[in-house]
Amino acid sequence: SAVISQKPSRDICQRGTSLTIQCQVDSQVTMMFWYRQQPGQSLTLIATANQGSEATYESGFVIDKFPISRPNLTFSTLTVSNMSPEDSSIYLCSGAGGHTEAFFGQGTRLTVV
Amino acid sequence: GENVEQHPSTLSVQEGDSAVIKCTYSDSASNYFPWYKQELGKRPQLIIDIRSNVGEKKDQRIAVTLNKTAKHFSLHITETQPEDSAVYFCAAGGGGADGLTFGKGTHLIIQP
Repeated sequence: SAVISQKPSRDICQRGTSLTIQCQVDSQVTMMFWYRQQPGQSLTLIATANQGSEATYESGFVIDKFPISRPNLTFSTLTVSNMSPEDSSIYLCSGAGGHTEAFFGQGTRLTVV
Repeated sequence: GENVEQHPSTLSVQEGDSAVIKCTYSDSASNYFPWYKQELGKRPQLIIDIRSNVGEKKDQRIAVTLNKTAKHFSLHITETQPEDSAVYFCAAGGGGADGLTFGKGTHLIIQP
């Protein structure tokens, strides 16, 4: 199956700043998604990253806070903007396509201080 | 939107025994049901999945069953081993084009 490289793997950021997380897939996938996993919790879908157009956000997530880019079929970024301690979480990107199952990057562990 | 309920939240079994984790979903349009295993500090790893046109799927010690009428699906692990200890998540989605809705997870503990 395809492999997703996600970076950074972890970061500690000051409140009020922004962090951009990158995901690179080693083969073309139809869909890419971004999830958040708070400590000890399940995964929650943030948005679908659409190639060449605006991302589709789930309820409770907005573009101003989590702008997403997907310039081609193998790359996407998620920015966590104007961070607060409540944004401390693990952020995971995922790829899927056709009958290819959803597979995940290794995650970015974000701590906001 | 989709809602996925998962039970139990914690499951402790003796090594060699079987473990069963159950999930229900709400959206009849969901047609893809994967199970993920997540070890501490690692990414979720797909262990088995099932699509709505299949009632059961097996891969060595792991099996998944799906009842579309009742909107529930289950993970069965037989002959459990210490390395099976992890958190297991069920999920539901449209298959490929849609993101997944996850259950809250089951912490599986294999007692030696």
